[in-house]
Amino acid sequence: NAGVTQTPKFRVLKTGQSMTLLCAQDMNHEYMYWYRQDPGMGLRLIHYSVGEGTTAKGEVPDGYNVSRLKKQNFLLGLESAAPSQTSVYFCASIKDTVIYNEQFFGPGTRLTVL
Amino acid sequence: GENVEQHPSTLSVQEGDSAVIKCTYSDSASNYFPWYKQELGKRPQLIIDIRSNVGEKKDQRIAVTLNKTAKHFSLHITETQPEDSAVYFCAASVPTGSARQLTFGSGTQLTVLP
Repeated sequence: NAGVTQTPKFRVLKTGQSMTLLCAQDMNHEYMYWYRQDPGMGLRLIHYSVGEGTTAKGEVPDGYNVSRLKKQNFLLGLESAAPSQTSVYFCASIKDTVIYNEQFFGPGTRLTVL
Repeated sequence: GENVEQHPSTLSVQEGDSAVIKCTYSDSASNYFPWYKQELGKRPQLIIDIRSNVGEKKDQRIAVTLNKTAKHFSLHITETQPEDSAVYFCAASVPTGSARQLTFGSGTQLTVLP
């Protein structure tokens, strides 16, 4: 049981390049989330998904797109990277939101945009 | 939307002393309040949480108190140890349809001095 995993762990992009971050969970969780973490600002929600085939915007969605084609995977895409997107990105998942509340986080992806 | 403020941003205590971190939230509909601990370079991990129908919860050296009227909640760590040194984040959650979105505070860097 690997829990929540993220690929890649580190990445350096040039402005304008694109990339996709992969989040995978093997806990059969329904809900998945993408956050970005910047110094002094805590974690901010980018997008989330309440189930396979669904996505919704969070607090800071601009410049990002997501897809949840399979229940276990949640992809975060940057179509045209900007230096303002330099951050640490965390994925999280939760079984449901009625009984279970704990969000399980992945190890993070450190992205630098030059 | 929900706004969570966390104080202090940094806190240094002597080993064995107590540490208190305070958070306020803005949305009276928030009903779930977790605290996460994040060690340097690691993922956030849940250490304790409280629901709005409970005023206090304790787990060994860690306790959380909630004042719904004043819309603030606090983390109390007693008998601090060097391994308690980390960044602590509070969060508040407002049920949004079937999803549970967390709004995080900006974090408190706790340093326990030996």
